[in-house]
Amino acid sequence: GAGVSQSPSNKVTEKGKDVELRCDPISGHTALYWYRQSLGQGLEFLIYFQGNSAPDKSGLPSDRFSAERTGGSVSTLTIQRTQQEDSAVYLCASSPLQGLETQYFGPGTRLLVL
Amino acid sequence: GENVEQHPSTLSVQEGDSAVIKCTYSDSASNYFPWYKQELGKRPQLIIDIRSNVGEKKDQRIAVTLNKTAKHFSLHITETQPEDSAVYFCAANGGGGADGLTFGKGTHLIIQP
Repeated sequence: GAGVSQSPSNKVTEKGKDVELRCDPISGHTALYWYRQSLGQGLEFLIYFQGNSAPDKSGLPSDRFSAERTGGSVSTLTIQRTQQEDSAVYLCASSPLQGLETQYFGPGTRLLVL
Repeated sequence: GENVEQHPSTLSVQEGDSAVIKCTYSDSASNYFPWYKQELGKRPQLIIDIRSNVGEKKDQRIAVTLNKTAKHFSLHITETQPEDSAVYFCAANGGGGADGLTFGKGTHLIIQP
């Protein structure tokens, strides 16, 4: 079946502009996660959704970052007033349930802020 | 919150030899420990995972061991092959019901021909 998909695959933007990243999880997966991976670094947890709700937003780096999920499926991660340090690969993952379940990753969106 | 340390950051082994990557975690409530392999420019792929009710799990050339008392877990790859070259990440789930995974910083495994 189809895996996790993300769009766009690459995004170049100018400092100060807003960007929106999209994630389509595997159909039926109730849990959805966003991570950030800076060049040569590990994965930094940002936020997760169980259904449409996000019980814990503490991983978001600043109030310029927000995310939403509608219909228990597609999620968007929005970064307002982008800064150069926001440049990274943003990865989305989904799992059937929260907790002890394997997370399946999407291909990521490579964001470059000039 | 959970904190995961991973060592070494780079590991070079001769083809056919074994490779071992070690991770420690801080949250004793963590009960799920996956390992991901990431090739250059690609998404992380799960290669093996272990849950806290077992001490060891093996899948062909790959094995993972877990010591809950010491709060550490290790990935073992035997008979290494060139296609094993990649970055490997360990992770812990910080309590099971919580958030997302906390990842180690990764180990760049290089298989020398």
